[in-house]
Amino acid sequence: SQTIHQWPATLVQPVGSPLSLECTVEGTSNPNLYWYRQAAGRGLQLLFYSVGIGQISSEVPQNLSASRPQDRQFILSSKKLLLSDSGFYLCARAFGTGGFGGYGYTFGSGTRLTVV
Amino acid sequence: KNEVEQSPQNLTAQEGEFITINCSYSVGISALHWLQQHPGGGIVSLFMLSSGKKKHGRLIATINIQEKHSSLHITASHPRDSAVYICALRRNSGGSNYKLTFGKGTLLTVNP
Repeated sequence: SQTIHQWPATLVQPVGSPLSLECTVEGTSNPNLYWYRQAAGRGLQLLFYSVGIGQISSEVPQNLSASRPQDRQFILSSKKLLLSDSGFYLCARAFGTGGFGGYGYTFGSGTRLTVV
Repeated sequence: KNEVEQSPQNLTAQEGEFITINCSYSVGISALHWLQQHPGGGIVSLFMLSSGKKKHGRLIATINIQEKHSSLHITASHPRDSAVYICALRRNSGGSNYKLTFGKGTLLTVNP
């Protein structure tokens, strides 16, 4: 199984409040993990990715941070939310399927965040 | 210019019609994905292509690496095919991090 568990499904938070979104994965160990955001009317944008425990790469400067405290856990956080942080947040993983360069990609069910 | 362009942005079809969604890109890639996003937001991976053509049920995906173009076809479309279809690229320079670059998606509505 390559299942991704992501919660909560929806979240309404006031401006200035903290945020913590959690993603846990099943299946093979040491997966590559990703946080993507989809703003209204826009495509998915990569926020962070992680190739291992404690290894986080940030793609865009922003108000958010990510952590990977365990092999199969990826957390997206903010100390103080902004209105512009509203959007649909997706956790994803890539895993090898065998063969040179072969890999698969699965997504969590997403969290719709509204900052008010 | 976006690295990934999809067309059309919106597509409405009658049940049973043959549907084509296009994806053009401007960078070197090692793979291209077609994804399906349903109204609730969840995303399912349909295909991963690095060359040629793949078929799964009523879905067919093709890619022309030289022309930097891919198409997703749906035969005998059905209302349950209504969703957003997204093209995503893995660049040649991606290394082992498997990052994807996404198109904005095509909203398909199939009417009964």
